[in-house]
Amino acid sequence: GDSVTQTEGPVTVSESESLIINCTYSATSIAYPNLFWYVRYPGEGLQLLLKVITAGQKGSSRGFEATYNKETTSFHLQKASVQESDSAVYYCALGSGVGDNSKLIWGLGTSLVVNP
Amino acid sequence: GGIITQTPKFLIGQEGQKLTLKCQQNFNHDTMYWYRQDSGKGLRLIYYSITENDLQKGDLSEGYDASREKKSSFSLTVTSAQKNEMAVFLCASSPLGGTNTGQLYFGEGSKLTVL
Repeated sequence: GDSVTQTEGPVTVSESESLIINCTYSATSIAYPNLFWYVRYPGEGLQLLLKVITAGQKGSSRGFEATYNKETTSFHLQKASVQESDSAVYYCALGSGVGDNSKLIWGLGTSLVVNP
Repeated sequence: GGIITQTPKFLIGQEGQKLTLKCQQNFNHDTMYWYRQDSGKGLRLIYYSITENDLQKGDLSEGYDASREKKSSFSLTVTSAQKNEMAVFLCASSPLGGTNTGQLYFGEGSKLTVL
């Protein structure tokens, strides 16, 4: 079936350290998967961080990057130097790419804690 | 920019009670969604609506009713709350697909506790 697996949290890092949150997917019923990272900051609603709809491409936002790797079925989220304000819950999601958002498949979320 | 407002933020009910959650959006988006989030589980779609008066069942629709009486609002009713149930309900909206595919806008959530 279709599924998303991501790093189990909480992930704790110190400010200015590098970060990687792993996300792998299975898209057996989706011909052209789209991949997303959403983020939920404390006290706010979930919001789209970045998305990539073409295999081999990289998305970036707010210093975060993720590359859509079709060979390894991965979409890991990386940041070279985290800040305390990056503390949040990060969700990887898989979409069908045909404009139907009802088919989004979500990972369980990874809580990130950045210590000053 | 716009905003999605969910009310109430916290809802405490009794077993068997009918409970209603409300969601308002001022993005003028066509599609609205209700998700349920349980601890240790991903978001699961309960209902969605692609336009006013339209309702579509998601994977978790049993035990719920929904209503989309106008474009800006989407309500969800738990028809019979289950004892010890605890979950967060998330409302979202999205513009039409195309380049906006996957772009959902979420409210802060409503936390349900059933005693």
